[in-house]
Parts: sequence; structure tokens; C-alpha cells
Amino acid sequence: QKEVEQNSGPLSVPEGAIASLNCTYSDRGSQSFFWYRQYSGKSPELIMSIYSNGDKEDGRFTAQLNKASQYVSLLIRDSQPSDSATYLCAVTDTGRRALTFGSGTRLQVQP
Amino acid sequence: GAGVSQSPSNKVTEKGKDVELRCDPISGHTALYWYRQSLGQGLEFLIYFQGNSAPDKSGLPSDRFSAERTGGSVSTLTIQRTQQEDSAVYLCASSPNRGETQYFGPGTRLLVL
Repeated sequence: QKEVEQNSGPLSVPEGAIASLNCTYSDRGSQSFFWYRQYSGKSPELIMSIYSNGDKEDGRFTAQLNKASQYVSLLIRDSQPSDSATYLCAVTDTGRRALTFGSGTRLQVQP
Repeated sequence: GAGVSQSPSNKVTEKGKDVELRCDPISGHTALYWYRQSLGQGLEFLIYFQGNSAPDKSGLPSDRFSAERTGGSVSTLTIQRTQQEDSAVYLCASSPNRGETQYFGPGTRLLVL
């Protein structure tokens, strides 16, 4: 059973702080990694994708991938109350065609 | 351009009835996926279509669930003889090709009474 693990939270950070969200995965063959944001009652929306080891930055968001440790993280700088949502880590590989999702981490940004 | 659309947005049905859920993927996307999300849970893969290839049905929870994709575009997920445990949000996603970023529709919220 290929698994993606996330801390369910809630992770509470003050406005303006850095939020750090973590995800581990079990399948060493995984090739593609995604972070989705899901507001309550809404469908997931893509935040970041990352395919190679290292950091990838997009605005206030930075995704970090370490395939040796089977670990992927998402950093949100200057957190805003509007960032409050559940963040889903998703993983795929060359053999599997659908995404395997973690159960998500609920982030609360306190004004 | 237009995103993934799903209909109906909400569906209430009685136990034992059949339901059909529809998904219109983004134009030109060859891959289409169905997921299920129960309240407070993560997303559970159901079925995947890629072009004209045979679908990957490995996630379907029982033989009451089936799906088809006509003309490589619109897909319909059918649940026969619905049960209360089928109540969930059913999400459809599409991607340009296999393994690429998936874009989600708004979902269909199914409630089985």
C-alpha cells in the first residue's frame, strides 16, 4: 500500500509568520509531487508542483523535495488569514496514473 | 478557458436508487480521473481514463460503481443501488496527459438517505 502521510493539524501560526507543512511518502519510485489547497466546502486547487530535488519558489510559496528522505514540504512566507485552509500533499509515479493524496494538514493563520 | 465542470452540484437520493454523476473535462485534456472525498477525509482514487486506453478501475470500491467516458471527453460515474456509505463528495479531475498536473472540478455532493 503506497502511502502519503501528513500531520492533520491544525497548524496555527500568526499572521506574517512562516508556515511549514510537511509530507512523507512511502513509494521510492514516486516522480511527481504536488501541493493542493482546499478551502472548506471547495475542491482542491493546485498550489505547487515539484519534480526534482531541491527548492522551487513561487511567490510566497516554496516547495522542497528530498527524494532520498522521501520527504516533501511546503513553506508559506508572510502567512495571511486567507491562507487558512487544508493543504493536501499528492504524489504520483511513472507507473501509477492517479494521485495518492495525504489526508491533509489544516492551517489556521491567526490575524 | 473553461475549467472542469461537474453536474449536478448536489444530489440527494434514497438508499437503493441509482445515480449518475457527470464530468466535463478541460478541452484537450486526455486524462480524466474520479475521486471520492468523505467528510473530513482525504481523496480516494476511484477510476482513471487515458485517451482510448482501457480505464484503470482499481479504485472502485464495489461492482455497484462504474464509469464510462464517451468520445474521449465527457465522463459519467454511475452508482447503482446506492448505500448510505456512498455519501461523499465526488470529484472529477483532468490533466493534459498522464502524470501531469490534475485540475479539479467543483465536485458533486451526494447524500444517500
